[in-house]
Amino acid sequence: QVQLQESGPGLVKPSGTLSLTCAVSGGSISSGNWWSWVRQPPGKGLEWIGEIYHSGSTNYNPSLKSRVTISVDKSKNQFSLKLSSVTAADTAVYYCAREGDHGYSIAYWGQGTLVTVSS
Amino acid sequence: EIVVTQSPGTLSLSPGERATLSCRASQSVSSSYLAWYQQKPGQAPRLLIYGASSRATGIPDRFSGSGSGTDFTLTISRLEPEDFAVYYCQQYGSSPPRYTFGQGTKLEIK
Repeated sequence: QVQLQESGPGLVKPSGTLSLTCAVSGGSISSGNWWSWVRQPPGKGLEWIGEIYHSGSTNYNPSLKSRVTISVDKSKNQFSLKLSSVTAADTAVYYCAREGDHGYSIAYWGQGTLVTVSS
Repeated sequence: EIVVTQSPGTLSLSPGERATLSCRASQSVSSSYLAWYQQKPGQAPRLLIYGASSRATGIPDRFSGSGSGTDFTLTISRLEPEDFAVYYCQQYGSSPPRYTFGQGTKLEIK
């Protein structure tokens, strides 16, 4: 069973860069699936940030594309998120996730990590 | 970009009752691209339904999905206490954004 675990600072200063890593266990990041980041502001709905394939191919949400970079480290079986020029609006629980084997949906989720943007 | 709208925003029902949650897309969506999730407070979302009507692994058969085109429905046949949660529908796009979620329906105990 694939398991995902987010890690990174819980507090980021405005205008800074949010950096998170997702460690994958119970499966290989080279499994042939896409790996995503999804966020959820407190009390609000879900927003897809972007995804990466083990080859390094990426797709980003157009609303965040200018500020987002997702990368993969196959040697460590993990992938990472960087979001630059953050503001209070970027305060959210950030989830790493993986598509299901049937595609077109997200079957595996990390527990989520709250990142607060504040000085 | 396809917009996904869920209704109602809040649904108040009692255990044992039937719940019907709606999801409408702004354009026709392939049934293969429609999914439903359940989220409880403090937890990650859990995939319930993919491909509009296929239950994910371990999901009880009281959960069912249906619909096509622009209108989709999640039905919970007989509500159990653990079913009270927020439910999201999701549409998959052939171009980014890949995943677009509805705003959610909160299913609360009446």
